[in-house]
Amino acid sequence: DQQVKQNSPSLSVQEGRISILNCDYTNSMFDYFLWYKKYPAEGPTFLISISSIKDKNEDGRFTVFLNKSAKHLSLHIVPSQPGDSAVYFCAASIGNEKLTFGTGTRLTIIP
Amino acid sequence: EAEVAQSPRYKITEKSQAVAFWCDPISGHATLYWYRQILGQGPELLVQFQDESVVDDSQLPKDRFSAERLKGVDSTLKIQPAELGDSAMYLCASSTDTYTGELFFGEGSRLTVL
Repeated sequence: DQQVKQNSPSLSVQEGRISILNCDYTNSMFDYFLWYKKYPAEGPTFLISISSIKDKNEDGRFTVFLNKSAKHLSLHIVPSQPGDSAVYFCAASIGNEKLTFGTGTRLTIIP
Repeated sequence: EAEVAQSPRYKITEKSQAVAFWCDPISGHATLYWYRQILGQGPELLVQFQDESVVDDSQLPKDRFSAERLKGVDSTLKIQPAELGDSAMYLCASSTDTYTGELFFGEGSRLTVL
């Protein structure tokens, strides 16, 4: 049972435009959500997180939105840059228990 | 900048052979994780250590996998015997005591079982 789902395996966006990556979850007990970014031949790196008590968290060009009623979160990247091309994983946890990762979305920024 | 070190980066082995992976976390990080990432999937936790103690190994196939962190610093993950389905990227990560969900991952060890 995939509790964290990223239904879009890939996404292509023009440089300078907005990239929107989506993630859905099924477990209503999840209360902490994160996004990780992974370049080829490297381990994932933490990007941004959000607690379930918030519906938005912003860090520079990156904003994560959480819609608890829809069990949906999204990552917005504005403006998109070529260096943003990577695989993005969303992850969720219950308190400080283990992270459950989604299957990832490959983002390609077209110059 | 401090990094999580893993070795080997690549390992090719035949099924039924033994394989071992090593991880050295960021200095001072008490929590260490081993994840497995199968191609096309997200990382899945195999085992989590807090210092030298296992916190969670519920997803570790204990009939063939073992993990240890004897002195609470570096760690070894062993597979014996390896099976074709074990082909994956094995990622080690560490974190500080204060849980933020931010894990620091190593570059991973890619295992191919023939």
